[in-house]
Amino acid sequence: SQTIHQWPATLVQPVGSPLSLECTVEGTSNPNLYWYRQAAGRGLQLLFYSVGIGQISSEVPQNLSASRPQDRQFILSSKKLLLSDSGFYLCAWSVGGGYTFGSGTRLTVV
Amino acid sequence: AQSVSQHNHHVILSEAASLELGCNYSYGGTVNLFWYVQYPGQHLQLLLKYFSGDPLVKGIKGFEAEFIKSKFSFNLRKPSVQWSDTAEYFCAVFASDSNYQLIWGAGTKLIIKP
Repeated sequence: SQTIHQWPATLVQPVGSPLSLECTVEGTSNPNLYWYRQAAGRGLQLLFYSVGIGQISSEVPQNLSASRPQDRQFILSSKKLLLSDSGFYLCAWSVGGGYTFGSGTRLTVV
Repeated sequence: AQSVSQHNHHVILSEAASLELGCNYSYGGTVNLFWYVQYPGQHLQLLLKYFSGDPLVKGIKGFEAEFIKSKFSFNLRKPSVQWSDTAEYFCAVFASDSNYQLIWGAGTKLIIKP
């Protein structure tokens, strides 16, 4: 069966520190992969999506970057976190329509 | 550009009341439509989806949605809500030229008073 793993579930990081959030999917091949941020009181904001290994499209210019080193692995990174990077980050995958979301990472930058 | 509008950001109902959450999109081509739900402290879950065929779609937990193409709408309904329906509901549209992306509404927070 298809599953998606996202970790860590919660993270508290100081301003200026690096970030690495990882997402992996199982049970499917060549999925479209997505990173979303859900800010308090707002809807979902698409940050990055990837249709294949090494292919990353950025939707919102910001302090974050994404990479897809393997078909089923999608990583969200930052070299130096800002306070405004705090939020709830969701990884998702889709094959043929319909998204499946990971359980999310609550990031607090202090 | 495509957009999705959920007109009610907060809805408060009593148990057993009927529910209708509005969702309108702006795109004239072929669309796939989704409603997702996020219960407090949990991740997003798919409630129902429309790809083609019968425009009245039934989902989990007694929810249904009707696709009205002429109105560009996909409203979510439930005849009698329960306290456990308290959650945030998101409408999303996958348009045929949306570059692999779902276009999301801003969400509606539903609070059911016991």
